Amino acid sequence: AQSVAQPEDQVNVAEGNPLTVKCTYSVSGNPYLFWYVQYPNRGLQFLLKYITGDNLVKGSYGFEAEFNKSQTSFHLKKPSALVSDSALYFCAVRDPPTDSWGKLQFGAGTQVVVTP
Amino acid sequence: GAGVSQSPRYKVAKRGQDVALRCDPISGHVSLFWYQQALGQGPEFLTYFQNEAQLDKSGLPSDRFFAERPEGSVSTLKIQRTQQEDSAVYLCASSHTGELFFGEGSRLTVL
Repeated sequence: AQSVAQPEDQVNVAEGNPLTVKCTYSVSGNPYLFWYVQYPNRGLQFLLKYITGDNLVKGSYGFEAEFNKSQTSFHLKKPSALVSDSALYFCAVRDPPTDSWGKLQFGAGTQVVVTP
Repeated sequence: GAGVSQSPRYKVAKRGQDVALRCDPISGHVSLFWYQQALGQGPEFLTYFQNEAQLDKSGLPSDRFFAERPEGSVSTLKIQRTQQEDSAVYLCASSHTGELFFGEGSRLTVL
C-alpha cells in the first residue's frame, strides 16, 4: 500500500528566507504526488502535482516541488517565504492505476509558521 | 456555485444520535469524494462517487456510515448511532479533470 511521511510537525522560517517542507513516499509503482495547503477555516487547496516528466514541478503561489526517485522524496519549496504562507501543508500520493484520481493518501501535515 | 459547499459547518451530536452531512459540489463536476480528518491528522479517504454511482466505499469505517448521491449532484454522508470516535471534520471534494476542490468541511463533535 502507498503512504507518505512528513517528518516535521512544524517548520519555522523568517519572512524572505527559503522555505522547504519535506515529504517522502512509499508506493508499489510510479507515484502520482500532490501538495495541498490548508489555511485556517478554509478548505484544502491544490498547490501542485507530479505525474511524469520534469522532476521540478511549479505550482501556485510561487511554490515548487522536486521529485527525487532515488530518495523517494517530493519536497515542497519556496525561494522567499511570506507571512501569508503560514498554513498547514499536506503531501499526498495516489498509487496508479487502480485507484481513482481523487483517492489520495495524505500525510499528517506540516504546520508552517513564517515570522515577520 | 463557485465552490464546494458543505453544511452544517458545525454539528454537535449526543452519542447514539444519527447525523447527516450535506455536500453541494461544483456544478458539472462528475466525481465527488468524502474524506474524514481527525484532529491533528491528514484527511483519510472514505468514499467516491462518479455521477450517482458509488464506485469505492472502501474507506467507510463501519456499516454505521452511509453515503449517497442519488441524482449525481448533491451528496449526503449519514452516520448512524454516532460514537465519540466519529468526532472529526468531514471533507467533501469534487473533481472534473483530476484536481480536487475541497469544501470547508463539516466539524462533527460527538459528546
